[in-house]
Amino acid sequence: EAQVTQNPRYLITVTGKKLTVTCSQNMNHEYMSWYRQDPGLGLRQIYYSMNVEVTDKGDVPEGYKVSRKEKRNFPLILESPSPNQTSLYFCASYRGDWGYTFGSGTRLTVV
Amino acid sequence: EDQVTQSPEALRLQEGESSSLNCSYTVSGLRGLFWYRQDPGKGPEFLFTLYSAGEEKEKERLKATLTKKESFLHITAPKPEDSATYLCAVLRMDSSYKLIFGSGTRLLVRP
Repeated sequence: EAQVTQNPRYLITVTGKKLTVTCSQNMNHEYMSWYRQDPGLGLRQIYYSMNVEVTDKGDVPEGYKVSRKEKRNFPLILESPSPNQTSLYFCASYRGDWGYTFGSGTRLTVV
Repeated sequence: EDQVTQSPEALRLQEGESSSLNCSYTVSGLRGLFWYRQDPGKGPEFLFTLYSAGEEKEKERLKATLTKKESFLHITAPKPEDSATYLCAVLRMDSSYKLIFGSGTRLLVRP
């Protein structure tokens, strides 16, 4: 089954404690992206990757890092999380005519 | 500036009461317009892609249409299981493959 897998689904952490949200896709897609979703603001792009070792900033990249060492994996790294990064995060890969296939989401709370 | 606006923000319907959701957009070159369905706490699920004005797509009780400035999602004789948030997004005609999302319409269908 074609899918994007994110982990963990839920995460509560403290301010300043580094964390990584993993993302993996099994469709051999070149393009992957991270979005965050906040009430009233919709889905906003954090970072995207056109291919292995090619990444670029989206609309809200501050406080985030990504890496793309393999085609299937695109982890999101928060070096020093802050409460304003509390949000619902989605990883997605681009499927052409199908648009994006999204993961199930990671609900992050930073206290 | 690229922008996607959805209306209404929320819509309550009785089962069987047909209605339409609106998505108006401003984008510098449209590659495609996408409709997604999102259930609470889950990732957006692909519904339709529209590419050019005049195009229509149908799936069960849903029908999507596109003009040069807006798209409509028509829901005919909705059922309670159609309750969800419906998201509209546009893909620009450039190499970024960035989806720009509207804030969504929350649909509640009461039995």
